[in-house]
Amino acid sequence: KAGVTQTPRYLIKTRGQQVTLSCSPISGHRSVSWYQQTPGQGLQFLFEYFSETQRNKGNFPGRFSGRQFSNSRSEMNVSTLELGDSALYLCASSSRASDYNEQFFGPGTRLTVL
Amino acid sequence: LAKTTQPISMDSYEGQEVNITCSHNNIATNDYITWYQQFPSQGPRFIIQGYKTKVTNEVASLFIPADRKSSTLSLPRVSLSDTAVYYCLVGDGGGSGGGADGLTFGKGTHLIIQP
Repeated sequence: KAGVTQTPRYLIKTRGQQVTLSCSPISGHRSVSWYQQTPGQGLQFLFEYFSETQRNKGNFPGRFSGRQFSNSRSEMNVSTLELGDSALYLCASSSRASDYNEQFFGPGTRLTVL
Repeated sequence: LAKTTQPISMDSYEGQEVNITCSHNNIATNDYITWYQQFPSQGPRFIIQGYKTKVTNEVASLFIPADRKSSTLSLPRVSLSDTAVYYCLVGDGGGSGGGADGLTFGKGTHLIIQP
């Protein structure tokens, strides 16, 4: 069974631009969660989608948004990029909604904002 | 989610058994204890999960005392490739719609294995 895939793996943007990251969960998994990881703040929860509905949301500004499609693939969008948005963005999938005890993570997208 | 405390870093040598202890004094009745492993520039990987006593899989063992206020991840005969950050998490996993914070990762324990 293929794992969680994320595209692109690396991305360089400039301040003020917007970016869209993509995540394909493990086949059969309907829950997709997004996390931001930085050296200073560690790994922080952004939001979770299940069956195309956002179920939970972390403490991030409205510039961070997401959506999920009927095939469970998910996208995350960050508008008006700031230097502090440089981070590793991780996507995780699970078979159950809000099943935070066992999530399968993708390799991440390394976003650099210049 | 219950707060967890674990050592910031640990060193060991190849072939040794490594035990990483995590404290979670405020663990709730419904909470499970889960450990993840993360290599640089990769996503965390689920290692093991338990509720009480002892759990063992092909990778590690998890020891949980009767009061469940702490847990110990045991890695047998470590190798250089076990160098990674290990996270201890405690929570009920939601399932019913709870866990609004998603997975709350602390700073983790940076395990360094030397030859």
